[in-house]
Amino acid sequence: GAGVSQSPSNKVTEKGKDVELRCDPISGHTALYWYRQRLGQGLEFLIYFQGNSAPDKSGLPSDRFSAERTGESVSTLTIQRTQQEDSAVYLCASSLNWARGEQYFGPGTRLTVT
Amino acid sequence: TQLLEQSPQFLSIQEGENLTVYCNSSSVFSSLQWYRQEPGEGPVLLVTVVTGGEVKKLKRLTFQFGDARKDSSLHITAAQPGDTGLYLCAGGENQGGKLIFGQGTELSVKP
Repeated sequence: GAGVSQSPSNKVTEKGKDVELRCDPISGHTALYWYRQRLGQGLEFLIYFQGNSAPDKSGLPSDRFSAERTGESVSTLTIQRTQQEDSAVYLCASSLNWARGEQYFGPGTRLTVT
Repeated sequence: TQLLEQSPQFLSIQEGENLTVYCNSSSVFSSLQWYRQEPGEGPVLLVTVVTGGEVKKLKRLTFQFGDARKDSSLHITAAQPGDTGLYLCAGGENQGGKLIFGQGTELSVKP
């Protein structure tokens, strides 16, 4: 594909519901990253994948957050029992591999928890 | 915990003026990247610097990595309205892996 794509672009959910956010990286990129961006703030690292394994999950805020990646391609970030403080833009990025620092970002999913 | 302090947080200038954005840390980074983000979009990579003291130029933008690889600056010459956006610096702990982002500088260039 031409770039990183994410879906949905916007998601409004009620407090307590589960949500799934999807990321399609650039074809051939083996490393994939998830970040969270709260309004007016910088990006907060959540987790990254090299291939299908996640060497660094240190940024996941709680056990309500999980992510998986299959086929060294698509990744899904799942938030269970959403809370209002989960409202943010969730950004996905990919890079050629872990050793190459240039990360290319998708447009993000804006999550609003009411 | 590694932190990147970015300043100023907001900057509003007139077209044609020069400006500098700073990114500082007490930690050493193996690389420093600068991104620009527009509303509703993801950040777009502008430049990566990896060597202490390195200077890179991209048209009217000049990027510098500090000798000790703890700080960086972005200088824009003769700013234009099209430069308006959120500028983010990000430090890499290794050549790859996660990035530590600064809080961003919201730049507004008025015609």
